[in-house]
Amino acid sequence: AQTVTQSQPEMSVQEAETVTLSCTYDTSESDYYLFWYKQPPSRQMILVIRQEAYKQQNATENRFSVNFQKAAKSFSLKISDSQLGDAAMYFCAYSHTAQGGSEKLVFGKGTKLTVNP
Amino acid sequence: DAGITQSPRHKVTETGTPVTLRCHQTENHRYMYWYRQDPGHGLRLIHYSYGVKDTDKGEVSDGYSVSRSKTEDFLLTLESATSSQTSVYFCAIRPAGVYGYTFGSGTRLTVV
Repeated sequence: AQTVTQSQPEMSVQEAETVTLSCTYDTSESDYYLFWYKQPPSRQMILVIRQEAYKQQNATENRFSVNFQKAAKSFSLKISDSQLGDAAMYFCAYSHTAQGGSEKLVFGKGTKLTVNP
Repeated sequence: DAGITQSPRHKVTETGTPVTLRCHQTENHRYMYWYRQDPGHGLRLIHYSYGVKDTDKGEVSDGYSVSRSKTEDFLLTLESATSSQTSVYFCAIRPAGVYGYTFGSGTRLTVV
């Protein structure tokens, strides 16, 4: 079974600084997707960034970028120029791309990010 | 809005009573999922559906059942609620062939 591990239960960063959240995963599949979701206090799950495993280029979305190391099964999230609104719980997640409807999202336990003014 | 709604948003119920949570989508997506979120555990899959009347169990399915009689609705039932089922429940949807999951706003369920 696939597993996702986030080793940092909590992180903090100063406003305008850069922070990196770690994620590792375990799978025997070669074709899959990786995600970072943000969950602010509103409880809403917001997709931050998505990476397809077959793409070597790291995904970026404005101030958010990933460092995808397929061989090491590592998928870290870098937040640049941190803002107060970035404070939230961040979840790393994995989904394989098998046929037949068995695809599902597997989550890590989350990292709580605090942004200090 | 992404076209997915969960109801109710909050519910308090007594131990031993049946509870049904509803997930409704207007996107006509094939896949629907139920997750529960607990502190220290992230989100864990309860059940999922890959079509009308096609459902399967996730990793924490004990004590839960689901039904999907039409594309737009996916119901999660706790036959006899227990305090260990106090949690926040999320529904998610995904179209066939696309790996983008959209989540509802969640239902906070408290079993007293």
